Amino acid sequence: EIVLTQSPGTLSLSPGERTTLSCRASQSVSSSNLAWYQQKPGQAPRLLIYGASSRATGIPDRFSGSGSGTDFTLTISRLEPEDFAVYYCQQYGSSPLITFGQGTRLEIK
Amino acid sequence: QVQLQESGPGLVKPSETLSLTCTVSGDSISSHYWSWIRQPAGKGLEWIGRVYTSGSPMYSPSLKSRVTMSLDTSKDQFSLKLSSVTAADTAVYYCASRPRGQFYFDNWGRGTLVTVSS
Repeated sequence: EIVLTQSPGTLSLSPGERTTLSCRASQSVSSSNLAWYQQKPGQAPRLLIYGASSRATGIPDRFSGSGSGTDFTLTISRLEPEDFAVYYCQQYGSSPLITFGQGTRLEIK
Repeated sequence: QVQLQESGPGLVKPSETLSLTCTVSGDSISSHYWSWIRQPAGKGLEWIGRVYTSGSPMYSPSLKSRVTMSLDTSKDQFSLKLSSVTAADTAVYYCASRPRGQFYFDNWGRGTLVTVSS
């Protein structure tokens, strides 16, 4: 089973700052099989990044993804108030077919 | 744009079977893979399984013994049955779609809370 470990668990930052969220896999993951989601309270997750680095439709360009193998990152270049949420990485691969990281909570400082 | 809507009982008794349906609109049910994903309160996301028109369902190993998923193309719906539920199955249940050949969920339902309690 591939385990995704996200760090840090919580980030406290201010609007306007830049941040990088980490997702580390216990085994190598194909870049095409790594996605990132944003979830706000009471809402379903929203796809941000797929294929490790491709932005989903309508996602602002302040969001970017990178990485390969076992280490992937989500970068938000300049935090907007609406970006404070929980972020999950997700991989597709070996059994179980799909796993998610435990999430990083991004909160306003 | 695919729209998804979960429906089903919000309260299920322990040891009984949880049954949910997801109604699909906006695109052909044959064009995507359909999954159920759950999220206990304050916790992360857990993939339950997926179903599609051209093959057998696939389930998470941790739930495989209790899960059945099916597809009804005549109604543009897919369903989840989870048997022998306990309080640990209390969660928000989401249905979600994944484009064929892709490995991400691009459309999600709003989610439905299912509580297991007597």
